[in-house]
Amino acid sequence: GAGVSQSPSNKVTEKGKDVELRCDPISGHTALYWYRQRLGQGLEFLIYFQGNSAPDKSGLPSDRFSAERTGESVSTLTIQRTQQEDSAVYLCASSLGLLNAGELFFGEGSRLTVL
Amino acid sequence: GQNIDQPTEMTATEGAIVQINCTYQTSGFNGLFWYQQHAGEAPTFLSYNVLDGLEEKGRFSSFLSRSKGYSYLLLKELQMKDSASYLCAVREEGGSYIPTFGRGTSLIVHP
Repeated sequence: GAGVSQSPSNKVTEKGKDVELRCDPISGHTALYWYRQRLGQGLEFLIYFQGNSAPDKSGLPSDRFSAERTGESVSTLTIQRTQQEDSAVYLCASSLGLLNAGELFFGEGSRLTVL
Repeated sequence: GQNIDQPTEMTATEGAIVQINCTYQTSGFNGLFWYQQHAGEAPTFLSYNVLDGLEEKGRFSSFLSRSKGYSYLLLKELQMKDSASYLCAVREEGGSYIPTFGRGTSLIVHP
């Protein structure tokens, strides 16, 4: 597609439920990134993919968070047993390659509200 | 790791010039980026500095001093639509090349 696409744009869930957030990067972009932005805060890095591989998962806040990428394209971020502190906008970005990291193209984000 | 500092909020008048500062501390510098983020929207890339000096792009310019760990974003001929959050991000040498973002500066442009 023309830009990075994320779904759902808004998700309201109950505490304890699992959620899946999806990201479709720009076609041909091999690097993909997930960030989290809490209200009024900066961007918190979660995880990145180079191709389908995620070399560093240390940014994930807890073991309730996981992410995968298939076909060097779509990525899903899964949050299990959601907590109220998980409420945030989850932003996905892509770049041509890892060396282009910094010149990121962001999606509109998925706003997650945990009640 | 990096420590990135920028003012929380600034206000300016339409038509004026505003300078948004960013200071950083890093063990190995490999580039500084500025992004613009309108409320409720995705951040969009504005500029990239890796060498000292000023990079000009239309009404926006970005300056970098690596020895001082300092950058600024200069916005000229301010327009109401420039009201947004401006995010400074720094990339470190080696490792994953992933930029670390500051908290952002909320700029309010008033008539």
